[in-house]
Amino acid sequence: GAVVSQHPSRVICKSGTSVKIECRSLDFQATTMFWYRQFPKQSLMLMATSNEGSKATYEQGVEKDKFLINHASLTLSTLTVTSAHPEDSSFYICSAVDGVGYTFGSGTRLTVV
Amino acid sequence: AQSVSQHNHHVILSEAASLELGCNYSYGGTVNLFWYVQYPGQHLQLLLKYFSGDPLVKGIKGFEAEFIKSKFSFNLRKPSVQWSDTAEYFCAVKAPRDYKLSFGAGTTVTVRA
Repeated sequence: GAVVSQHPSRVICKSGTSVKIECRSLDFQATTMFWYRQFPKQSLMLMATSNEGSKATYEQGVEKDKFLINHASLTLSTLTVTSAHPEDSSFYICSAVDGVGYTFGSGTRLTVV
Repeated sequence: AQSVSQHNHHVILSEAASLELGCNYSYGGTVNLFWYVQYPGQHLQLLLKYFSGDPLVKGIKGFEAEFIKSKFSFNLRKPSVQWSDTAEYFCAVKAPRDYKLSFGAGTTVTVRA
């Protein structure tokens, strides 16, 4: 079946630095990908919709200058958390539309110290 | 916008017990409904989905769910759980012509051997 690879699975960074998270569709082309953020014991919150070859669509309240999304190819979307702060520490999950539904990545645990 | 409510935050039960997880949504129109499972350390996987037709949907691993339109509910059931069913379960909703999924807060299921 469809597989989405998300990398890295865990990252620790210093406050003020930037972190890039990659989401790759391994055996299918994904025109549309999604980025979610999940807080402990809470739901997945949609941050943005990433469309190949065009600008991402951000949900209300999500800072597009802080969470940069690039979807330059049909198999890769990246999320860059710029100037990270401790409050950005969270679990980030990507998913891709695979033609019949959605395939999710394994998530990235970001810790900003 | 849709919202999804999962009533149980944490369910603990013994092997062979029956499981039912509640899910209610608020949306006035036609919806597509999903249940996802997230095993420890793994990505979200689709258990089952409902788009139309028979409101009783059978999924993988012995799970089923019933769509009751009048109650805006899509409860998940399994007659006899196993220890391997220990996981986080998420209900999700989307409008048919929309790609965005709205997730419930999730229910942690712990099955004791």
